[in-house]
Amino acid sequence: ETGVTQTPRHLVMGMTNKKSLKCEQHLGHNAMYWYKQSAKKPLELMFVYNFKEQTENNSVPSRFSPECPNSSHLFLHLHTLQPEDSALYLCASSHTASGAYNEQFFGPGTRLTVL
Amino acid sequence: DAKTTQPPSMDCAEGRAANLPCNHSTISGNEYVYWYRQIHSQGPQYIIHGLKNNETNEMASLIITEDRKSSTLILPHATLRDTAVYYCIVRVAEGDKLIFGTGTRLQVFP
Repeated sequence: ETGVTQTPRHLVMGMTNKKSLKCEQHLGHNAMYWYKQSAKKPLELMFVYNFKEQTENNSVPSRFSPECPNSSHLFLHLHTLQPEDSALYLCASSHTASGAYNEQFFGPGTRLTVL
Repeated sequence: DAKTTQPPSMDCAEGRAANLPCNHSTISGNEYVYWYRQIHSQGPQYIIHGLKNNETNEMASLIITEDRKSSTLILPHATLRDTAVYYCIVRVAEGDKLIFGTGTRLQVFP
């Protein structure tokens, strides 16, 4: 099993739908992250969880709702999204959320299209 | 905002060394220089990081100037699979954020 997996890899949803993105890490890490990558824009950090506690919410609209039930799983619940929310959503994990030797390992991403 | 500046694109012939520059003139004493790359349609991949000394691993070498205001990532023998966007990031040791800029798009050609 590869280090960080994300499902689904592709998702098309309407603005009234509710969907969830799933991330799972098999690396024994304690920190997990959600990033958004819009077309021709840098990656933007959305949320950080460290030992299941949210430590960062980077002014993300409430239509994005993260959930971290344990250190291995991270969800991003989506509801009433807008077309401009279409992007690549990337999950990452690291040993902890701080410390110099704290490389982040990324999943392959979920390509989301909001119609 | 990203605290680094990189050229938007570079080309490199296969088998030659690729030298990717990064300016970080406002870097603080407790900030590390990290490099990641992102191959098309994949998540970013960690390459290397350093504080003051030059670093080398199986993927690349990182050369940091003595004043730490700039650095160079060296891929010693570039292959076609090294074609990607390369991101230079400065980050405090205790921080949890990776702030990505627009990176350098490296194109390796045959």
